[in-house]
Amino acid sequence: EPEVTQTPSHQVTQMGQEVILRCVPISNHLYFYWYRQILGQKVEFLVSFYNNEISEKSEIFDDQFSVERPDGSNFTLKIRSTKLEDSAMYFCASSESPWTSGGANEQFFGPGTRLTVL
Amino acid sequence: RKEVEQDPGPFNVPEGATVAFNCTYSNSASQSFFWYRQDCRKEPKLLMSVYSSGNEDGRFTAQLNRASQYISLLIRDSKLSDSATYLCVGDNQGGKLIFGQGTELSVKP
Repeated sequence: EPEVTQTPSHQVTQMGQEVILRCVPISNHLYFYWYRQILGQKVEFLVSFYNNEISEKSEIFDDQFSVERPDGSNFTLKIRSTKLEDSAMYFCASSESPWTSGGANEQFFGPGTRLTVL
Repeated sequence: RKEVEQDPGPFNVPEGATVAFNCTYSNSASQSFFWYRQDCRKEPKLLMSVYSSGNEDGRFTAQLNRASQYISLLIRDSKLSDSATYLCVGDNQGGKLIFGQGTELSVKP
């Protein structure tokens, strides 16, 4: 069964450093997403991406964050200057469509990257 | 008011019990709704979509009441493997999923 993969599984970094989290969405999916979950809190939407553009972003997704699809398979989240409060699990997800259409909008999540900022 | 609100639990039930989870949502939240399941420190996985007509998948039944802005999930004959956190989720029709805090379920032998 196709699945979303993410690397690394755990990233430890110093405050102020840049990190890049990588994701390989399911191959026939066209819509990509990043979410984060701070320990003990709910899953929060960061950004959605389609056709090489951001479709929607949340208030959390400020100028320190950026996303890119550098090639036909990878989807990356970059945090330019990490803060302590960026420590969280970051989930990548993908779907065929964002629209409800026979389940095509089901978002499949990757296993996550645990980011620890020291 | 939070966009999607759930009782965090935990719900501790014996095997074989029937357990029900509730969720409420605000006007701005969503048009489509789902129940996701999340095991400890793992990714959310779709359990089922929720329709106004109600839908059933084996031991799981989900219901949406748009007038009351209320969503429910019923689990019958609970198994040890049902132990997880159940996430009530709305979709803004643009792909943005809005998650509730989650309700923790622990099924004991």
